[in-house]
Amino acid sequence: KQEVTQIPAALSVPEGENLVLNCSFTDSAIYNLQWFRQDPGKGLTSLLLIQSSQREQTSGRLNASLDKSSGRSTLYIAASQPGDSATYLCAAGGGYQKVTFGTGTKLQVIP
Amino acid sequence: DAGVIQSPRHEVTEMGQEVTLRCKPISGHDYLFWYRQTMMRGLELLIYFNNNVPIDDSGMPEDRFSAKMPNASFSTLKIQPSEPRDSAVYFCASSLANLEQYFGPGTRLTVT
Repeated sequence: KQEVTQIPAALSVPEGENLVLNCSFTDSAIYNLQWFRQDPGKGLTSLLLIQSSQREQTSGRLNASLDKSSGRSTLYIAASQPGDSATYLCAAGGGYQKVTFGTGTKLQVIP
Repeated sequence: DAGVIQSPRHEVTEMGQEVTLRCKPISGHDYLFWYRQTMMRGLELLIYFNNNVPIDDSGMPEDRFSAKMPNASFSTLKIQPSEPRDSAVYFCASSLANLEQYFGPGTRLTVT
């Protein structure tokens, strides 16, 4: 059974800082890994999807990497802004596999 | 496309009543997922469909929960009878070929 872990559960950083969010998964035979953002009281918004054949994906100030052999993915946020404050979730699986979500990292960017 | 549409957005009901949640996936998507989110348990996958066929319902908590997908553009999640512990936010998501998932805004269910 796939288990997905996100550490830390919460993170507080000053505005402008670069930061890294971590995601670990136990079964490396995943089809893809997806990062989401969730604002309080809202649904999940897809940020980046990395397919198993890829090493990283970039969108604006966000960069996600995937290392299947070590069962890890990271989400790098450059020059953080208060508007980046949200909970970030990763999800592993896809294809013929059930998608499993991590418990999330709650990020607060302080002005 | 309008994205994944869920209704109602909020539902308040009394214990023992039947609750039906509705979802319209993104047109052309062949996978549909139902999730439940609570503070205690996080985001849980309840059931998912591929081409209208249920593939995995191992996350459905009890026989009180049932889900159907009569066609490619509509799915329901029914709870009968409802209990206070069913209070949660229920999300529907869809994807193409089980790749990138797109979530609806959710239905906040309160059972008193």
